[in-house]
Amino acid sequence: QLQLQESGPGLVKPSETLSLTCTVSAGSVSRSSYYWGWIRQPPGKGLEWIGSIYYRGSTHYNPSLKSRVTISVDTSKNQFSLKLSSVTAADTAVYYCARHVGRITMTVVVSWYFDLWGRGTLVTVSS
Amino acid sequence: QSALTQPASVSGSPGQSITISCTGTSSDVGSYNLVSWYQQHPGKAPKLMIYEVIKRPSGVSNRFSGSKSGNTASLTISGLQAEDEADYYCCSYAGSSTLVFGGGTKLTVL
Repeated sequence: QLQLQESGPGLVKPSETLSLTCTVSAGSVSRSSYYWGWIRQPPGKGLEWIGSIYYRGSTHYNPSLKSRVTISVDTSKNQFSLKLSSVTAADTAVYYCARHVGRITMTVVVSWYFDLWGRGTLVTVSS
Repeated sequence: QSALTQPASVSGSPGQSITISCTGTSSDVGSYNLVSWYQQHPGKAPKLMIYEVIKRPSGVSNRFSGSKSGNTASLTISGLQAEDEADYYCCSYAGSSTLVFGGGTKLTVL
């Protein structure tokens, strides 16, 4: 069964860049029809999609975060990563990585959902 | 891109049925049959329960079902069990390869 595991610093200073990596095991990031996504959840609040990436490098971002987000993929390491710049306390959250089922037929999206999730990692923004 | 609207909480007794609504707009829920639902127990990662409005992943109980009418999607849980007590989130494709989540609904089994 494919598994995802987030890793990275649990504490980031305000104005700095948050960096997280998701390692995929028992499966490959290079499979068609799958994107790889990041979702976050502030303490006591709901889920927010951050963005997703296809193994060939195409990315899709939440418009509200787009100016600060970069998602990349390293197929040789079977990993994908998140960078969020200029963080503030509002970026404190549990960050999840997830497999994103994305099927597009003749430019029409026919599948778009997250079927497998990592356990999540808490990132606190504080000086 | 605004969050989908869900009731903050719903409750039901064991054996009963409950329905959680998820209201969006003609730009998301209303335009695509791409609504998914996630169950989240405290301190745990979300789990996919329904995708593409009505489909159930392998291993998910058939007590969970989904539907949609206009700009509102719904998740129905029949034969409520104590283990169903959790937070539930809807999610919809919102065009231009983007996604939007609902604010979440806390289900209490009385």
